[in-house]
Amino acid sequence: SQQGEEDPQALSIQEGENATMNCSYKTSINNLQWYRQNSGRGLVHLILIRSNEREKHSGRLRVTLDTSKKSSSLLITASRAADTASYFCATDAYTGANSKLTFGKGITLSVRP
Amino acid sequence: EAGVAQSPRYKIIEKRQSVAFWCNPISGHATLYWYQQILGQGPKLLIQFQNNGVVDDSQLPKDRFSAERLKGVDSTLKIQPAKLEDSAVYLCASSLVTGVSTGELFFGEGSRLTVL
Repeated sequence: SQQGEEDPQALSIQEGENATMNCSYKTSINNLQWYRQNSGRGLVHLILIRSNEREKHSGRLRVTLDTSKKSSSLLITASRAADTASYFCATDAYTGANSKLTFGKGITLSVRP
Repeated sequence: EAGVAQSPRYKIIEKRQSVAFWCNPISGHATLYWYQQILGQGPKLLIQFQNNGVVDDSQLPKDRFSAERLKGVDSTLKIQPAKLEDSAVYLCASSLVTGVSTGELFFGEGSRLTVL
């Protein structure tokens, strides 16, 4: 399966600390994306990193991609209570007929005030 | 810019009944997706449309689920008859044309289905 697997499943940190979440996958990808989902809401796109990129930044977010290890990490710096949410890694792979985005099971992040 | 619109937000039905969900994507987005998200899990792709053609429906339980996207704009997802295990949030998403790679997906708020 192309599904990414996130690690850890749950993470609890204090406000102001950094949060690091990891994602591993099994086959070649076009790109890898991270999404956030607040409780009872839809998913919101955070960042996309292409297979030929190694690192990307967006505000307090830093994403790395290591295609040799088939893994990615999402770092949220100086976390806030509002960052409390589920975070999903999604891998995009070409299936031969079209590209397909497959989501992992997600990481639950709790940021304590 | 208006986002992806979905309705209804919540639906409770008895097993073996039918239900339909509606989605209106962002204007100009050619690709539309329906995902099923069971509590505590990640979204699972049910069907992907490009304009009004089906690109991928390999994980759609076709004996009970159907979806259409008439005129390449809004879409409906129907379940008939519903089973207990269909209880989930049904998420609609859209994106610009998808070719050899998928770009950013824009999600609606979802339709939460409870089957009793």
